[in-house]
Amino acid sequence: ETGVTQTPRHLVMGMTNKKSLKCEQHLGHNAMYWYKQSAKKPLELMFVYSLEERVENNSVPSRFSPECPNSSHLFLHLHTLQPEDSALYLCASSRSGTTSGTQYFGPGTRLLVL
Amino acid sequence: AQTVTQSQPEMSVQEAETVTLSCTYDTSESDYYLFWYKQPPSRQMILVIRQEAYKQQNATENRFSVNFQKAAKSFSLKISDSQLGDAAMYFCAYRSSTGKLIFGQGTTLQVKP
Repeated sequence: ETGVTQTPRHLVMGMTNKKSLKCEQHLGHNAMYWYKQSAKKPLELMFVYSLEERVENNSVPSRFSPECPNSSHLFLHLHTLQPEDSALYLCASSRSGTTSGTQYFGPGTRLLVL
Repeated sequence: AQTVTQSQPEMSVQEAETVTLSCTYDTSESDYYLFWYKQPPSRQMILVIRQEAYKQQNATENRFSVNFQKAAKSFSLKISDSQLGDAAMYFCAYRSSTGKLIFGQGTTLQVKP
């Protein structure tokens, strides 16, 4: 599925750095999601945006800050991360309000925090 | 709260054979959706198949089919004529009426030539 793109694909950052992850969807969807995938753990939902409004924040630390400027773009701003934040960060999109709301995923950003 | 359980961390199958991946879930809802996603080494999460809970007929998508047992809260994935490209981690997922997607722990499938 090439409808959802993510950049960068790989990121290495120090604990004092500030970086941003970008997600873009070309599917005409109006809901976007951030997930965290750590080794040997199920995918964890972090944030949900529907019609550009944040509708869910799953007790994510404030060092992760999402931004959704429009229905096609989603950002995850990172600052003062910890080594345990190293993971694969997946973005997904879906059509909000439909019965199935099938989510389509991007390729992910592999983040390593040193 | 809804939960999804995949009890098989790893499975293997011979090329061209059939394999079944298990998934059980727990919910008090009557209307929901179930999904199987595939995550190959490239890490791209790809939708394999989707099942609406209100439909009794099992979903089928080419070589992939499901055995949906609503009363037993079971949702297994059958892969027929397994191919080398099927090797991946497979995730079962439950979508509640609120839209939240809950994933199982995943099953790593190895396909032997």
